[in-house]
Amino acid sequence: ETGVTQTPRHLVMGMTNKKSLKCEQHLGHNAMYWYKQSAKKPLELMFVYSLEERVENNSVPSRFSPECPNSSHLFLHLHTLQPEDSALYLCASSQEGRGTTLGYTFGSGTRLTVV
Amino acid sequence: DAKTTQPTSMDCAEGRAANLPCNHSTISGNEYVYWYRQIHSQGPQYIIHGLKNNETNEMASLIITEDRKSSTLILPHATLRDTAVYYCIVRVATGLTGGGNKLTFGTGTQLKVEL
Repeated sequence: ETGVTQTPRHLVMGMTNKKSLKCEQHLGHNAMYWYKQSAKKPLELMFVYSLEERVENNSVPSRFSPECPNSSHLFLHLHTLQPEDSALYLCASSQEGRGTTLGYTFGSGTRLTVV
Repeated sequence: DAKTTQPTSMDCAEGRAANLPCNHSTISGNEYVYWYRQIHSQGPQYIIHGLKNNETNEMASLIITEDRKSSTLILPHATLRDTAVYYCIVRVATGLTGGGNKLTFGTGTQLKVEL
């Protein structure tokens, strides 16, 4: 257990379904992130939240909708996904601030399959 | 953030030291060198980071050249459980807003530890 918990671990959904991925961090960090890792590809940063405000959105399609209700929780709402969206979705958190150099802590990920 | 270059794969015998190189010839003076690893289908795990000086912790040692254009991660006694993809990342430690927070992953080095 890393201090960042993701649920569910595995998810199979149809293209017309709506589902949500949940991430919770117990580390008191002030920034949270969603990454996507497709098969045999590097991790791709999707969203960055800092102090519950979205500060970066890397041209992610609107069928992915993040939500950060507080500094400990991060959600990724999914709707009308495509099969190519099947991937490992990873959440991470960090403590950011001037001079801070600590690394990211990642969760174990949600393995998503779109059928 | 500066780009890094790593070998695609390396092999190491169990019990021997694994030395993983990374080139970051365009690194800026305020960029740190971070190392993460990702065991198959799990979230990346922070290993170590440094700015100028060599660093050591319970997992590994980080050797940074004097000109900071390259570094080596050393796993002193590799075990089968160290088989993973190792990522070398350079990153500025900045404040909360802007793009400086993000951790950008490349393709890393696949380390295979064998008997």
